[in-house]
Amino acid sequence: GIQVEQSPPDLILQEGANSTLRCNFSDSVNNLQWFHQNPWGQLINLFYIPSGTKQNGRLSATTVATERYSLLYISSSQTTDSGVYFCAVGVYSGAGSYQLTFGKGTKLSVIP
Amino acid sequence: NAGVMQNPRHLVRRRGQEARLRCSPMKGHSHVYWYRQLPEEGLKFMVYLQKENIIDESGMPKERFSAEFPKEGPSILRIQQVVRGDSAAYFCASSPLTPLGTTLNEQFFGPGTRLTVL
Repeated sequence: GIQVEQSPPDLILQEGANSTLRCNFSDSVNNLQWFHQNPWGQLINLFYIPSGTKQNGRLSATTVATERYSLLYISSSQTTDSGVYFCAVGVYSGAGSYQLTFGKGTKLSVIP
Repeated sequence: NAGVMQNPRHLVRRRGQEARLRCSPMKGHSHVYWYRQLPEEGLKFMVYLQKENIIDESGMPKERFSAEFPKEGPSILRIQQVVRGDSAAYFCASSPLTPLGTTLNEQFFGPGTRLTVL
């Protein structure tokens, strides 16, 4: 099956700093999503971005599907950004099946 | 528009008991997915359902686990004779049907059910 690798696995930032999280995937995909799992365990949708660039406040994401990677940018980080960031790729099998395959995540800690 | 709802949020069972997890998709969504997050691991796909149909259950353990999405009511993930290794967070996601009939849409996740097996 498709492999999804995220880097770095852990990241510690001073409040106000910027960061870039990377997601590499091993094959062509139909869909890519970024999620934030907050300290309470809830999964928050950040971006649905099969290709191109999107921005939402201090967050932005870019997916280059032809090169099989996506980047998540966090600017002016805040302590509330702490948690685990997951990249997930979706593949439609054509046989009616569809599922997301998740990376292992990047654990972000923002310290005051 | 309410999001994906799951209940209970926390469930404690003793070994050998049954666990029933419920998921109500977002309004207008006809596709439901279940994922499991074991401690210190990422999320793994379990099963994909549409109303009254199991589309893909390739991620489900072969024994003790079953899922349904009836015509009326929520989707149910059922675990029989639970063991300690079943302790995990179980997430449900839903997505809408596109006009073309495909499912290449954004999935929205519920808050999860945290199952603890004593």
